Amino acid sequence: EDKVVQSPLSLVVHEGDTVTLNCSYEVTNFRSLLWYKQEKKAPTFLFMLTSSGIEKKSGRLSSILDKKELFSILNITATQTGDSAVYLCAVEAIRGGADGLTFGKGTHLIIQP
Amino acid sequence: EAGVAQSPRYKIIEKRQSVAFWCNPISGHATLYWYQQILGQGPKLLIQFQNNGVVDDSQLPKDRFSAERLKGVDSTLKIQPAKLEDSAVYLCASSLAGVVYGYTFGSGTRLTVV
Repeated sequence: EDKVVQSPLSLVVHEGDTVTLNCSYEVTNFRSLLWYKQEKKAPTFLFMLTSSGIEKKSGRLSSILDKKELFSILNITATQTGDSAVYLCAVEAIRGGADGLTFGKGTHLIIQP
Repeated sequence: EAGVAQSPRYKIIEKRQSVAFWCNPISGHATLYWYQQILGQGPKLLIQFQNNGVVDDSQLPKDRFSAERLKGVDSTLKIQPAKLEDSAVYLCASSLAGVVYGYTFGSGTRLTVV
């Protein structure tokens, strides 16, 4: 059974701090790892990672994948109150035509002013 | 481009009643997914459609849950009879052709079973 574990489950920091969110996984026939931000209901896409060691960046957010150690990190620098959300990590496995995602429980990030 | 539409936004029912959720994907998206997100958990895949055919329903509790996607466009997810543990947000997502092309989630339906 595919498994995704995120840590920490919750995190409270002050505005301007840098945070690192962790995601480890066990999956058969790994294809990709994805990060989503969930503020109200609909998760919104942040990154898709398929190759080890290649950092993806978008503004203050960046992410990297280690396929040997089976984990990924999501970094947010100079945090703002608008970064407060649940951050979800998900993995996609190769299963014929099926490509539904397996999600972790998420990290609930709270940024205090 | 219009997003993934879901209705209703909220639903409260008593246990053992039935309920149905509706999803209209982004126009042209062949792949449609239903996920269940229980409070404090990540979304869990219930079923994946490719056009109007089922690709994966391995995690769908088929004794009480059913889903269909007639004509390969809109989809409905039904629960009959509902249990207390079905309380969750039901998210629909659609994709042009799978995760590699990115997929878009709807805002979900929050179901409370009392």
